Amino acid sequence: DAKTTQPNSMESNEEEPVHLPCNHSTISGTDYIHWYRQLPSQGPEYVIHGLTSNVNNRMASLAIAEDRKSSTLILHRATLRDAAVYYCILIKRNTGGFKTIFGAGTRLFVKA
Amino acid sequence: DVKVTQSSRYLVKRTGEKVFLECVQDMDHENMFWYRQDPGLGLRLIYFSYDVKMKEKGDIPEGYSVSREKKERFSLILESASTNQTSMYLCASSLGQGTLSYTFGSGTRLTVV
Repeated sequence: DAKTTQPNSMESNEEEPVHLPCNHSTISGTDYIHWYRQLPSQGPEYVIHGLTSNVNNRMASLAIAEDRKSSTLILHRATLRDAAVYYCILIKRNTGGFKTIFGAGTRLFVKA
Repeated sequence: DVKVTQSSRYLVKRTGEKVFLECVQDMDHENMFWYRQDPGLGLRLIYFSYDVKMKEKGDIPEGYSVSREKKERFSLILESASTNQTSMYLCASSLGQGTLSYTFGSGTRLTVV
């Protein structure tokens, strides 16, 4: 199963952009790149996902490398509420059973 | 919004007890999952189910079983709780097809003493 690699932690100042990197060098053609974040004392929540093209939504942007072996989650203006653990995972498009590997994620610290 | 509800937020059980963790989702999702989360280890998949009465083992099924008698409900059972099962347990659900985005519950923190 394809695995992702993320830095253990990152730090940002409030109101500044944050770029969270993820490497997934063993990605296959049917893997979607998903990002989730986990706020303290909560379950992970969906942030964004993509396949080949860059994606934007109200929460964030996702930049995917041309060879799909890496991606970057972009928070355009970090707020204190964005302090969380961010998980980059690969999910296979499938109609039945599947496995998704969640690594340890990146813990984002946001300074006021 | 899809909601995934876990019956207990905190639970304390004794070694050897049989423990039931309940999870209910309200959006007719086919797939349901149980994960445990431990510091430094991320989320590890225990069991998942892609249909009523269907179940598949995840990465760490030992010591656990599951039950899915109705589409909306997925139960995790610890047959005989042990202290190494002290953990945060997360339930999730997703649609059966497409990009399979997960919706997670808030988690149950289980302590086995």
